Amino acid sequence: AQSVTQPDIHITVSEGASLELRCNYSYGATPYLFWYVQSPGQGLQLLLKYFSGDTLVQGIKGFEAEFKRSQSSFNLRKPSVHWSDAAEYFCAVGARSGGYQKVTFGTGTKLQVIP
Amino acid sequence: EPEVTQTPSHQVTQMGQEVILRCVPISNHLYFYWYRQILGQKVEFLVSFYNNEISEKSEIFDDQFSVERPDGSNFTLKIRSTKLEDSAMYFCASIAGQGNTYEQYFGPGTRLTVT
Repeated sequence: AQSVTQPDIHITVSEGASLELRCNYSYGATPYLFWYVQSPGQGLQLLLKYFSGDTLVQGIKGFEAEFKRSQSSFNLRKPSVHWSDAAEYFCAVGARSGGYQKVTFGTGTKLQVIP
Repeated sequence: EPEVTQTPSHQVTQMGQEVILRCVPISNHLYFYWYRQILGQKVEFLVSFYNNEISEKSEIFDDQFSVERPDGSNFTLKIRSTKLEDSAMYFCASIAGQGNTYEQYFGPGTRLTVT
């Protein structure tokens, strides 16, 4: 069964600083990987996804993530954080089984942005 | 862009009552899912549905839960006798299941409050 670990529950960064959110996954084959962002009381917005090909994927809002198979990681990065990036970020892994895909989410990282 | 819709956005019910949460997946999608997020926790898989039957369900999805696709467009989650611990945000998702796209499209969620 697949699983996702987000080791940082809460991260605080200054506006304009760079950001890296960590994600490690466990899955027996090549996974499908996702990062979602959720503002309080809101739904899930897909930031970016990795299915195959180039291991560095670009997403919306200036985010990028790099798939590193050797480290089983899919860390999310942003070179310069804006106050509006404050939210909770979920890494997720999708497994293809029997022709369909179930997504398993990590526990999330809450990002606080200070002026 | 096509999107998954969910109604209602917020449902308040008394313990022991039945609730039906409704979802309209993207029209040409074949696989449908329900997820749950208890306040402050991660998103958890409940059930997947394909070809008019359940493909997989989690331990959370006990006999109190059922899903149905009553017509060609709606996908519903019924909770027969709600408990306080069913209070959560419920997300519907769908996936095309064809071609090379494996992205799950999530709806905006229904917040269920059981009093």
